[in-house]
Formats: sequence, C-alpha cells, structure tokens
Amino acid sequence: KAGVTQTPRYLIKTRGQQVTLSCSPISGHRSVSWYQQTPGQGLQFLFEYFSETQRNKGNFPGRFSGRQFSNSRSEMNVSTLELGDSALYLCASSTGTTRDEQFFGPGTRLTVL
Amino acid sequence: AQSVTQLGSHVSVSEGALVLLRCNYSSSVPPYLFWYVQYPNQGLQLLLKYTTGATLVKGINGFEAEFKKSETSFHLTKPSAHMSDAAEYFCVRLDSNYQLIWGAGTKLIIKP
Repeated sequence: KAGVTQTPRYLIKTRGQQVTLSCSPISGHRSVSWYQQTPGQGLQFLFEYFSETQRNKGNFPGRFSGRQFSNSRSEMNVSTLELGDSALYLCASSTGTTRDEQFFGPGTRLTVL
Repeated sequence: AQSVTQLGSHVSVSEGALVLLRCNYSSSVPPYLFWYVQYPNQGLQLLLKYTTGATLVKGINGFEAEFKKSETSFHLTKPSAHMSDAAEYFCVRLDSNYQLIWGAGTKLIIKP
C-alpha cells in the first residue's frame, strides 16, 4: 500500500506570495490532518479534514486554509506569506473513524524569503 | 486541559547504554498513547502505540513503552542504544476528537 505523499517537497517563496501544498493520503483513509513544524514552536496542529469537511481546527490565522476533495486528497493554502511561515508542513492520514494511528508524509519544506 | 509533557528537550546517552525518554500525560479518561520518531530531515514514523490491553507495548527497532495509569506515564525505553537511534522522539495522545496532542519532543543524542 502506498504511503502518504506530499508535493512539492521543497518550496521557496517571497513575502506576500501565496502557496498551495498538496497531500495524497493512504488509499482508503478519509481523514487528513496538517501540521506546521518549526524549531521554536515544535509541531502545531493546523486543521483536519474528514470526508471533505473540516472537522478540527488549530489556532492559526485565516491566511491558512485547506480543503479536501472527494478522493480524500487535500490541499493547504497559505496566503500573504510571512517570514515566520517558513517551516516544515506535515500531512497525516488516518481512517478517521477509529482511534488509530496517523501516518505521516515526508513533509513540504517551505522557505519564505 | 489535556496535555503531554516530555521531560528533557535533549537526552544524551552512550552507545550501548539504556535509553529512557520520559512522558507524562494528563487525561480524565484512559488515553490512546503513541510514540513517534523523526529522523533528521524526514517525516514522522510511528514507534509504538498503546490503546487497551497489555500495558507493556513493544515497538519497532527494539523500543518499548509501559503505560502506568497510577503515574500517568508512558516512558519509552530501549536496553541498548545504537548510533542510528539518534533522532527526535515525540510522545503523543489522541483525544476524543481524534486530534493528536503532541509533546514538545526529546532529541536523543548518542555518544560513541
């Protein structure tokens, strides 16, 4: 079974631009969660999508948004990029209906200049 | 508030020595607990998990953890450290909304 894939793996953007990251979950998984990881803040939960609906949301500004498609693939968008948005963005998938583990993708490294 | 506390942001052990990474959780109900590992420049990988049943859980790469309800702890151990164990380890619990509550992480340093 293929794992969680994230594209692109690396991104360089400048302040004020916007960016879209993509995540393809494991086949059959309906839940996709997004995390931001930085050296200073550690792992922070952004949001979770389940069956195309946002089910949980972390404490991030509205510049961070996401969506999920009918095939469970998910995208995350960050608008008006700031230097502080530089981070590793991790996507995780799970069945979402049982209290099981989440499977993580390799992440997208975003650098904002 | 539900939380996970990892004691020590960095732990250093010699190769071949015992590895002990500490984790305490706060929860009013029996938790689902996990340990994840992140190797340098890689994503997160599940080491082991506790859901119900046996309190001593064995994971990959020789790691194990024991769920102690009376101490609200879920410490991670390995009898003999290898250089390849150098990584960051996260203790995590799953809340009732299927959301992961993360510890701050512990970087394990292996001295030759």
